[in-house]
Amino acid sequence: NAGVTQTPKFQVLKTGQSMTLQCAQDMNHNSMYWYRQDPGMGLRLIYYSASEGTTDKGEVPNGYNVSRLNKREFSLRLESAAPSQTSVYFCASSELNDEQYFGPGTRLTVT
Amino acid sequence: AQSVTQLDSQVPVFEEAPVELRCNYSSSVSVYLFWYVQYPNQGLQLLLKYLSGSTLVKGINGFEAEFNKSQTSFHLRKPSVHISDTAEYFCAVSDADYGQNFVFGPGTRLSVLP
Repeated sequence: NAGVTQTPKFQVLKTGQSMTLQCAQDMNHNSMYWYRQDPGMGLRLIYYSASEGTTDKGEVPNGYNVSRLNKREFSLRLESAAPSQTSVYFCASSELNDEQYFGPGTRLTVT
Repeated sequence: AQSVTQLDSQVPVFEEAPVELRCNYSSSVSVYLFWYVQYPNQGLQLLLKYLSGSTLVKGINGFEAEFNKSQTSFHLRKPSVHISDTAEYFCAVSDADYGQNFVFGPGTRLSVLP
């Protein structure tokens, strides 16, 4: 039982490049989330998916897109990376209202 | 919408001393409350949660928290800390009726000193 997995673990991009962060969960959860974590700011929600086929914006969605590929997988895409998107990105999954299970994170640097 | 305040950004404490990490929230609806721990270079893991019932909640690693509705608080306590408790601790709140409104506090860095 792997829980929540994320790939890649580390990534360095140049400004303007694009990339997709992958997330998968094997707990059969309906809800999945993408957060970014920056020093002193806690976790900020980028997008979430309450169930397969639905996605909604969170607190900081600008510059990102998401795809809920199926119940297991939820990807985050940066179309044109900016230095302000340098951060640690976490994916999480849960059943509605209950605790969220987190992946190990992706450390992204945009130069 | 909910919000969470963690008044202390850093808490240094000596090994075997007690510790309390403070969390206050604001919400106009019923809430669920959570404490997470994040060790360096890792994801978050759940310490404990309050959904309903007894207001004193016990979690892993000897931690406990008490839900105080009148003071809108959910402080985390441990009677005797270990070096291995050094980590960042996050309080979180969700709307009990519409769980997608899941909000994290800014975190408290606990440093346990020998």
